[in-house]
Amino acid sequence: EAGVAQSPRYKIIEKRQSVAFWCNPISGHATLYWYQQILGQGPKLLIQFQNNGVVDDSQLPKDRFSAERLKGVDSTLKIQPAKLEDSAVYLCASSFAVASNTGELFFGEGSRLTVL
Amino acid sequence: QKEVEQNSGPLSVPEGAIASLNCTYSDRVSQSFFWYRQYSGKSPELIMSIYSNGDKEDGRFTAQLNKASQYVSLLIRDSQPSDSATYLCAVNDYKLSFGAGTTVTVRA
Repeated sequence: EAGVAQSPRYKIIEKRQSVAFWCNPISGHATLYWYQQILGQGPKLLIQFQNNGVVDDSQLPKDRFSAERLKGVDSTLKIQPAKLEDSAVYLCASSFAVASNTGELFFGEGSRLTVL
Repeated sequence: QKEVEQNSGPLSVPEGAIASLNCTYSDRVSQSFFWYRQYSGKSPELIMSIYSNGDKEDGRFTAQLNKASQYVSLLIRDSQPSDSATYLCAVNDYKLSFGAGTTVTVRA
């Protein structure tokens, strides 16, 4: 079974530039999550989708971050314009069940962003 | 804002010893609890889940939950160098919230 795919693995940009990350969840997983993990910290949920609807985006900085999950499968996370504090690993995860029923998330390898 | 608190460590234990990791959480309505392991430079992977008070054992790992004290712990028995990683406590009511993790180093 293929795991969660993410790209790019690494990205270096200058502040005020834009960047986009892509995620393809495990086939059949209805719920998709984007987490931000800053070095030395635990993952912080940015946005959670169930199919193509947003379940929770309360911690997404909406003035600069956006995410979509068209057709309920792939998802993209965009940052525009980037700030220095956005340097982090962006983790995509998926789960078969909705978040309220499980904590078993399957994570991709992450996209490491460095903002200079 | 829900909080999940862990001692950041590092926790250094000799090979063969027991590593004990602790986690407290602030939201009394939380119903399910998880431990994820994250190797350096890698993504988190689920190693234990616990839903009711008491102990749950899986191989060398034992999770302990005390909802009244809002406390969950993880014991690693017979620690091996391959157990060296960061262990993330995660708490779920309607979404999964992670602690900052405890870094464990097992000395050969």
